[in-house]
Amino acid sequence: NAGVTQTPKFRILKIGQSMTLQCAQDMNHNYMYWYRQDPGMGLKLIYYSVGAGITDKGEVPNGYNVSRSTTEDFPLRLELAAPSQTSVYFCASSFTPYEQYFGPGTRLTVT
Amino acid sequence: TQLLEQSPQFLSIQEGENLTVYCNSSSVFSSLQWYRQEPGEGPVLLVTVVTGGEVKKLKRLTFQFGDARKDSSLHITAAQPGDTGLYLCAGFMDSNYQLIWGAGTKLIIKP
Repeated sequence: NAGVTQTPKFRILKIGQSMTLQCAQDMNHNYMYWYRQDPGMGLKLIYYSVGAGITDKGEVPNGYNVSRSTTEDFPLRLELAAPSQTSVYFCASSFTPYEQYFGPGTRLTVT
Repeated sequence: TQLLEQSPQFLSIQEGENLTVYCNSSSVFSSLQWYRQEPGEGPVLLVTVVTGGEVKKLKRLTFQFGDARKDSSLHITAAQPGDTGLYLCAGFMDSNYQLIWGAGTKLIIKP
């Protein structure tokens, strides 16, 4: 099992550009999450999904969008990138809502 | 606002010493998890505690859930350089599907 995979690992965006962060899991987990982690800080929830076709906002959803058309995939879309979105983004999945398995992260810089 | 406060924020000690990290809240959780995150990687789940007063041991790491299920501690005996990392606690409430995350304790063990 690959677990949770994320692509790309690194990305530099110019202000105003858009991109999609990919996340896939092969554990047949219903729950999937997107977090951002700023330097020296904990995790902030952006969006989550409790199953295919169902998504909901977390603590910091502004500037982001998600979709969940399959159990395996949970892409995160950044529209009109801003410097405040410079961060490390983690995708996670779980069988229960609380024991989450994380991907390796995507390091995004917006300049 | 539901908060989970971790202390200390930063701890640097010599190999062989003991240490305790605390995770406190005014909220009651149905379960609490501890994760360890190494630089450049995603958090990895260490343990889940679910019963008030529960104690779990993982080699030299001892985790305790408070009787009232509002707080938890992580005790490391005879710390080793391999224990270096960011330790995150996260509490789960049945009322939503989200984990409440602490800001983390950055632990450095010097050889």
